[in-house]
Amino acid sequence: GAVVSQHPSRVICKSGTSVKIECRSLDFQATTMFWYRQFPKQSLMLMATSNEGSKATYEQGVEKDKFLINHASLTLSTLTVTSAHPEDSSFYICSAPAIGFREQYFGPGTRLTVT
Amino acid sequence: DQQVKQNSPSLSVQEGRISILNCDYTNSMFDYFLWYKKYPAEGPTFLISISSIKDKNEDGRFTVFLNKSAKHLSLHIVPSQPGDSAVYFCAAVAAGNKLTFGGGTRVLVKP
Repeated sequence: GAVVSQHPSRVICKSGTSVKIECRSLDFQATTMFWYRQFPKQSLMLMATSNEGSKATYEQGVEKDKFLINHASLTLSTLTVTSAHPEDSSFYICSAPAIGFREQYFGPGTRLTVT
Repeated sequence: DQQVKQNSPSLSVQEGRISILNCDYTNSMFDYFLWYKKYPAEGPTFLISISSIKDKNEDGRFTVFLNKSAKHLSLHIVPSQPGDSAVYFCAAVAAGNKLTFGGGTRVLVKP
């Protein structure tokens, strides 16, 4: 299957700082990538759709000024959590469908802890 | 409003037997369905998918069945192996490739 990587896998930051998470499709190109977060023992919640060359679209209730998304190329999307607070602590996962396919492949996730 | 539901939060099965996971959906606009396997602190791994124009898709030990009239799909794993122990999510897709996930079913395969 296609490979999606995320970096970093774990990050601890202090409250009020910003954290950037990268999502890369390693062996395919993706015009669209998706960002999810997962709370313990819960399902994945879609946060936003990252579109290459245009603005991201956010799901209802997700603050676009807090979760900045940039899709700079066909293989890279970044999620920046700005002015992080402890309640932003979560597991963030990205996914990408290869162009022309509907199966989505997920990155390994990033565990964010805000202290 | 949960559009995709997995009503069984957990399932325990003996090694070698069949595991059957169920998923129900409400949105008739969904036209593609996927099953993912997930371990803690890892991203979901794609298992198998099915288009709404089919009623069955098989890949090795995994078979997915789709009943459109009942808005129901199921994943059969046979024979179940201890390495299959994980959380399984069904997901549905409408236009735009956005995935809507069910709540997950934790499967435990006992040796």
